[in-house]
Amino acid sequence: DSGVTQTPKHLITATGQRVTLRCSPRSGDLSVYWYQQSLDQGLQFLIQYYNGEERAKGNILERFSAQQFPDLHSELNLSSLELGDSALYFCASSVEGWGTGELFFGEGSRLTVL
Amino acid sequence: DAKTTQPPSMDCAEGRAANLPCNHSTISGNEYVYWYRQIHSQGPQYIIHGLKNNETNEMASLIITEDRKSSTLILPHATLRDTAVYYCIVRVAILMKTSYDKVIFGPGTSLSVIP
Repeated sequence: DSGVTQTPKHLITATGQRVTLRCSPRSGDLSVYWYQQSLDQGLQFLIQYYNGEERAKGNILERFSAQQFPDLHSELNLSSLELGDSALYFCASSVEGWGTGELFFGEGSRLTVL
Repeated sequence: DAKTTQPPSMDCAEGRAANLPCNHSTISGNEYVYWYRQIHSQGPQYIIHGLKNNETNEMASLIITEDRKSSTLILPHATLRDTAVYYCIVRVAILMKTSYDKVIFGPGTSLSVIP
């Protein structure tokens, strides 16, 4: 158990809909990272937050948005869903936002868009 | 884009050492080398990291060349449970709050441990 909690574990929805994925980082971790992993694909970095502020942005679509709240949990919002958005979405946390601490990954949220 | 290159796949006999290479020829002096692995569709798991010295922990050893342009992850006695995708990444090590850390994963190496 990494200590990172992601909900929901599984989600099935239809095209055009909107969903919210939630991530609770490990206690004390200030940084949250979001990744997308499509079937048989690598981990695509989406976005990083540090202590409530956006720190780095990757290939995140405009239809996607994220935020980190004062209690440090984070949410990833996916809107106008398309079939191609079906993927595993991972959240990771670390104590800080640079390379001296390991990332702890959650078990992911599997999104299926029908 | 990932700053590392790894072979797409490797096989290793059970009980033998698995040596996974990684090329990071453009690594900066302030960047660490990290290794993670992902078993099936589980969340990636941290293995080990290093800056310029060789490192060892209970899971693996990390050998970094003197010029830091490549490294090798060694699993000393591979078991079937080590079958996974192994990712080598570089991360900035500057201890500044203004630093950012995209943590880009490449395709990794798919290691198959064979009985």
